[in-house]
Amino acid sequence: EVQLVESGGGLVQPGGSLRLSCAASGFTFSTYWMSWVRQAPGKGLEWVANIKQDGSEKYYVDSVKGRFTISRDNAKNSLYLQMNSLRAEDTAVYYCARGRSRSGWFLGAFDIWGQGTMVTVSS
Amino acid sequence: EIVLTQSPGTLSLSPGERATLSCRASQSMSSSFLAWYQQKPGQAPRLLIYGASSRATGIPDRFSGSGSGTDFSLTISRLEPEDFAVYYCQQYGSSLTFGGGTKVEIK
Repeated sequence: EVQLVESGGGLVQPGGSLRLSCAASGFTFSTYWMSWVRQAPGKGLEWVANIKQDGSEKYYVDSVKGRFTISRDNAKNSLYLQMNSLRAEDTAVYYCARGRSRSGWFLGAFDIWGQGTMVTVSS
Repeated sequence: EIVLTQSPGTLSLSPGERATLSCRASQSMSSSFLAWYQQKPGQAPRLLIYGASSRATGIPDRFSGSGSGTDFSLTISRLEPEDFAVYYCQQYGSSLTFGGGTKVEIK
């Protein structure tokens, strides 16, 4: 079964750090672009970051540039999001998502999603 | 960055009725990179349509997508009880953005 399972969410104070993990199974992880997408409580979806199959390209939404770092370990079939200098507006459910991919290209849509992990930034 | 505007915000319909959801882009974009998702409360989004009109694996044929340029739409030909949910469009051409969503609720 194709599956993504996130972990690492929790309550953190403003200015703090958190590292999210996403464990992939049931598919060849190293051949897909991967992403993080978040959803604030009661709000819509917001793309956060993308990473290419080999980790050589990474892209971020402007609001997290310089604070968040996406990474992956293909040997462990895992995706990560290191979040530093957290703000109240980063409070959200964070989803790990697989990007439709072909020959190294990201085709623009997310076909597999994890169940999400909640991050709450509050004092 | 392309801004996607979805309308209406809420659509109140009865099972068996036809639903038409709109997604308008702030500038012309390639239809290859327009997708639609369904999200039910407490669940992750599910990919319905990619490339503006291609159904994802396992998606019933009552769901269809169309459009080009700046105007795209998702049509549900006959609403089933499980179709009442929030629907999002998403683009990948100029950065990556989602629309604000359309809630399809039971009338």
